[in-house]
Amino acid sequence: LAKTTQPISMDSYEGQEVNITCSHNNIATNDYITWYQQFPSQGPRFIIQGYKTKVTNEVASLFIPADRKSSTLSLPRVSLSDTAVYYCLVGLNSGNTPLVFGKGTRLSVIA
Amino acid sequence: GAVVSQHPSWVICKSGTSVKIECRSLDFQATTMFWYRQFPKQSLMLMATSNEGSKATYEQGVEKDKFLINHASLTLSTLTVTSAHPEDSSFYICSARNTGGAGNYGYTFGSGTRLTVV
Repeated sequence: LAKTTQPISMDSYEGQEVNITCSHNNIATNDYITWYQQFPSQGPRFIIQGYKTKVTNEVASLFIPADRKSSTLSLPRVSLSDTAVYYCLVGLNSGNTPLVFGKGTRLSVIA
Repeated sequence: GAVVSQHPSWVICKSGTSVKIECRSLDFQATTMFWYRQFPKQSLMLMATSNEGSKATYEQGVEKDKFLINHASLTLSTLTVTSAHPEDSSFYICSARNTGGAGNYGYTFGSGTRLTVV
């Protein structure tokens, strides 16, 4: 899996939009970009996945530039409950390939 | 959506005893499951890949005789921590891949097991 680089931590106030950028310079042609969210003492939870341009769901948006060497997870109007660790993963969907997690970004939302 | 049930959610055991953690895929079959370990403030570290009907594949540095993995059916994988010691205290998480899943590689994670060895 392509190596990813994310900020270690971010702080935000409630109601603000939060953008977390992930660098993945060695992304391969067939790789997808996936973001997971993890709350303390829980397993990671899928947030969003994309290949190029923009993907939006009810939780977040994912922006991917044309060169795909980076991606940005956008969380609109965060609340205290969005405080978590966010992981960016890049790789090909393959039957026996496990997900390998980087350090993630610890987001703290402040009232 | 795909659900992975992990049990127990927490366990406290005495040093030297063994602890079994179960990981079940509830609404799909999983020929492959993955086990992770996570220490406080750290990321998930892959321990092993569990394959139904065959031996597990362990990551470098993970003792296969200490962390016994059994994947006897398409919906159940177990991790047994044998002769547990305080340094084995950690958060253990399993993951299963739903080959019929779409949009997220098909990977779903259990809720984790907090193991404390005293």
